[in-house]
Amino acid sequence: EVQLVESGGDLVRPGGSLRLSCAASGFTVSSYYMTWVRQAPGKGLEWVSFIYSGDRTSYVDSVKGRFTISRDSSKNILYLQMNSLRTEDTAVYYCARGPSSAWNYWGQGTRVTVSS
Amino acid sequence: SSELTQDPAVSVALGQTARITCQGDSLRSHYAGWYQQKPGQAPVLVIYEKNSRPSGIPDRFSGSSSGTTASLTITGAQAEDEADYYCSSRDNSGYHWVFGGGTKLTVL
Repeated sequence: EVQLVESGGDLVRPGGSLRLSCAASGFTVSSYYMTWVRQAPGKGLEWVSFIYSGDRTSYVDSVKGRFTISRDSSKNILYLQMNSLRTEDTAVYYCARGPSSAWNYWGQGTRVTVSS
Repeated sequence: SSELTQDPAVSVALGQTARITCQGDSLRSHYAGWYQQKPGQAPVLVIYEKNSRPSGIPDRFSGSSSGTTASLTITGAQAEDEADYYCSSRDNSGYHWVFGGGTKLTVL
């Protein structure tokens, strides 16, 4: 059974850093397209980043240069390293697994609050 | 990048047909996926690659696409279908993804 479990969300000051983890079971993270999607309070879904074949990566413009997506095949974990956090990064962060055309498995989300 | 536009709200009588649309240039080149999200829950994929359903999704959910518009149709809407629905696709570059703003479906 495919499962994704996010962790690492917390309250952090503006300018701070966090690393989110997404522990996968039932499949190998290195074999699939993996993504992070966030949802600010009361708002819609926003795509943040994805990692695909050959560990190539892509980011939404608002996080480029601040966030880094990566995966550890030995631990079967997807990460999102978030630096220089801003108040507008406050959201629930979901990890999800592809095929290449859509995201068919999602975690339950982890909450990130950026506030002074 | 590109944008996907959805109507903010759609209502449907119980047992009737609901249609939710999504417009965007990227839909000429890329499939839309449709996600259902209920309050406090993670999104669930209901339609992908134009009209494919993941296992466990009822066959009252269907998708279609023409030009720059993708549609999600719920034939015989049930009370449990009341939720927010989001479309998503790759953008014109093919290396980014975008979501529509979401449509709140109310089943009357």
